[in-house]
Amino acid sequence: QVQPQQWGAGLLKPSETLSLTCAVYGGSFSGYYWSWIRQPPGKGLEWIGEINHSGSINYNPSLKSRVTMSVDSSKSQFSLKVTSVTAADTAVYYCARGRGRENIFDIWGQGTTVTVSS
Amino acid sequence: QSVLTQPPSVSGAPGQRVTISCTGSNSNIGTGYDVHWYQQLPGTAPKLLIYDNTNRPSGVPERFSGSRSGTSASLAITGLQAEDEADYYCQSYDSSPSAHVVFGGGTKLTVL
Repeated sequence: QVQPQQWGAGLLKPSETLSLTCAVYGGSFSGYYWSWIRQPPGKGLEWIGEINHSGSINYNPSLKSRVTMSVDSSKSQFSLKVTSVTAADTAVYYCARGRGRENIFDIWGQGTTVTVSS
Repeated sequence: QSVLTQPPSVSGAPGQRVTISCTGSNSNIGTGYDVHWYQQLPGTAPKLLIYDNTNRPSGVPERFSGSRSGTSASLAITGLQAEDEADYYCQSYDSSPSAHVVFGGGTKLTVL
């Protein structure tokens, strides 16, 4: 049973860099794209970007300038960095497996709450 | 503002049928991109409910069904149950300015 486990700092100050990692246990890491998706408090889902095992990346055009994703296939892990965070980046961040041509998100991590506050 | 438009809320009594619409445009659903639906219970991660417009993953009751036509898609829930009370999101792709994943704004389903 594939199970993503995610972690990272939960409290940041404005202008700092958000950093999260997701490790995939119990199943195949290659052959899929892995995404980060966030959800601000009381709001909807926003796709941040995706990466595969060989480092091929696609970002949401609206966030591209501040986002960097990376992968360590030897550990079945991938990471997210968001620079210059503001209160608008406060959200629950999920990692998720995307399968198929149009990213069917069939497996999700447990979510990490990130709060940006001075 | 979400690229895919959903009603903020819908409601129905137990046993009734409700539908949730997901309206897009010619740069997403209208282009032929498939639509997927997720159910999110309070405090939990979203769960895949319908994929590729009409397909149910293993374990999802037949009460849930999806359809797509033109620039829109719909999720129907029949025989409404109390445990169906949740937020529902549609998801597809948008081709502008480059291909990327988009979600609807979400619909809160209340079981009366």
